[in-house]
Amino acid sequence: QVQLVQSGPEVKKPGASVKISCRASGYTFNDYYIHWVRQAPGQGLEWLGVINPSGGRTEFAHKFQGRLTMTSETSTTTVYMELTSLTSDDRAMYYCARASTGHLFWGPGSLVTVSS
Amino acid sequence: DIVMTQSPLSLPVTPGEPASISCRSSQSLLNINGYNYVDWYVQKPGQPPQLLIYLGSDRASGVPDRFSGSGSGTEFTLRISRVEAEDVGVYYCMQALQTPYTFGQGTKLEIK
Repeated sequence: QVQLVQSGPEVKKPGASVKISCRASGYTFNDYYIHWVRQAPGQGLEWLGVINPSGGRTEFAHKFQGRLTMTSETSTTTVYMELTSLTSDDRAMYYCARASTGHLFWGPGSLVTVSS
Repeated sequence: DIVMTQSPLSLPVTPGEPASISCRSSQSLLNINGYNYVDWYVQKPGQPPQLLIYLGSDRASGVPDRFSGSGSGTEFTLRISRVEAEDVGVYYCMQALQTPYTFGQGTKLEIK
């Protein structure tokens, strides 16, 4: 069955970077785009960007361009999301999600805390 | 960006009664292939969102048939025919027609 396993919680200082992994299994890795969505505490859902694991093409939300990177590693069927220059506004649960037929299958989330 | 507007934002429901949530998009979500690219998800505390309905009206695998989705273009509705206690959570609509994918604000369903 399709499974997305994400890396564990992170605590970062303001100005630092965080890199989260999302390991996929149960399907052909290169056949499905992976999206990243975040959710601040008590808030709604915010789309960050998407990566095509086949070739690595990415697209990001405008507000994150310049400080967001996504990469994929076919050998380990893992996608990575790195966000730089963290502020307290980046404190959130970060979800990877596999796209299929216009819908998303979500990973469990990775909690990022930004605190001095 | 496509703006998704949900209503109501809070929905108290008596068990056994029906419930409906509306979602309006700022532009049509009808693709040239004839499908509306709108999904409905429910998020329960401490969990990621779970898919209920995709392409406007297709029920996801394992979703009870008391959940249904309808609508086309810019107006969409999620209906629960008879609410059960386990349906408590926050319901989101999402458009997947174009990036950036965008979400409604969420509707919190609670049991009276």
